[in-house]
Amino acid sequence: AQSVTQLDSQVPVFEEAPVELRCNYSSSVSVYLFWYVQYPNQGLQLLLKYLSGSTLVESINGFEAEFNKSQTSFHLRKPSVHISDTAEYFCAVSETDSSYKLIFGSGTRLLVRP
Amino acid sequence: DAGITQSPRHKVTETGTPVTLRCHQTENHRYMYWYRQDPGHGLRLIHYSYGVKDTDKGEVSDGYSVSRSKTEDFLLTLESATSSQTSVYFCAISETDRNTEAFFGQGTRLTVV
Repeated sequence: AQSVTQLDSQVPVFEEAPVELRCNYSSSVSVYLFWYVQYPNQGLQLLLKYLSGSTLVESINGFEAEFNKSQTSFHLRKPSVHISDTAEYFCAVSETDSSYKLIFGSGTRLLVRP
Repeated sequence: DAGITQSPRHKVTETGTPVTLRCHQTENHRYMYWYRQDPGHGLRLIHYSYGVKDTDKGEVSDGYSVSRSKTEDFLLTLESATSSQTSVYFCAISETDRNTEAFFGQGTRLTVV
C-alpha cells in the first residue's frame, strides 16, 4: 500500500530565507507525485506535479521539487520565501495504473516571519 | 477556478442525526471524490465516483454513503452522525482516471455535538 510521510508538521522561517519541505513516499509501483497548497479557509490548489520526464519540476511562483526515485522523495524547495507563502503544504502520491486515488501526507505548515 | 460548489459550508448537527453534504460541479468531469481533513492526518479519501451511479469506497468509508445520480452532483451522507465525524470535508473532481490534476472545493466544516 502507498503512504506519504511529511516529517515536519510546521516549518518556521524568516522572509527571504530558503526553505525545504520534506516528503517521502512508499510504493511498490510507479507513481505520480504532487504538491498541493492550502491557504487559510480555502481548498487545496495544485502547486506542482511530477508525471514523467525531467525529475525537477517547477511552479510559477518560484517553488521547485525534485523526484528522487532511489530515495523515494519529492522534497519541495524555494530559494527565497515571502510572507504570502504562509500556508499548509501537502504532498500526495498516486499510482500510475490506478491514479484516481490520491494519497496525501499529513501536511506541513509553512510559517514565514518578517 | 474550477467550478466546484460545496454546500453547506458550515454545519452543526447532533449525534445520531443524518447529514447530507452536496458537491456540485460545472466542469463535466467524470471523477468526483470526497475527502475528510483532520489535524495530523492530512486528507483521507472517503468515497469516489467514476461515473453516474458508479461509486467505490476509499480508505475511511465506514459510516458514510454516497450517491451520484447526475454527472454534476455527488452527495455524501452520514447516516447517523457521530462526534468522530467532526471534520472538514472536501470534494474534488478530475477529468481523467490519470488524476493528473484534481480540483478541490472550498470545504464544508461539519461539527457533530
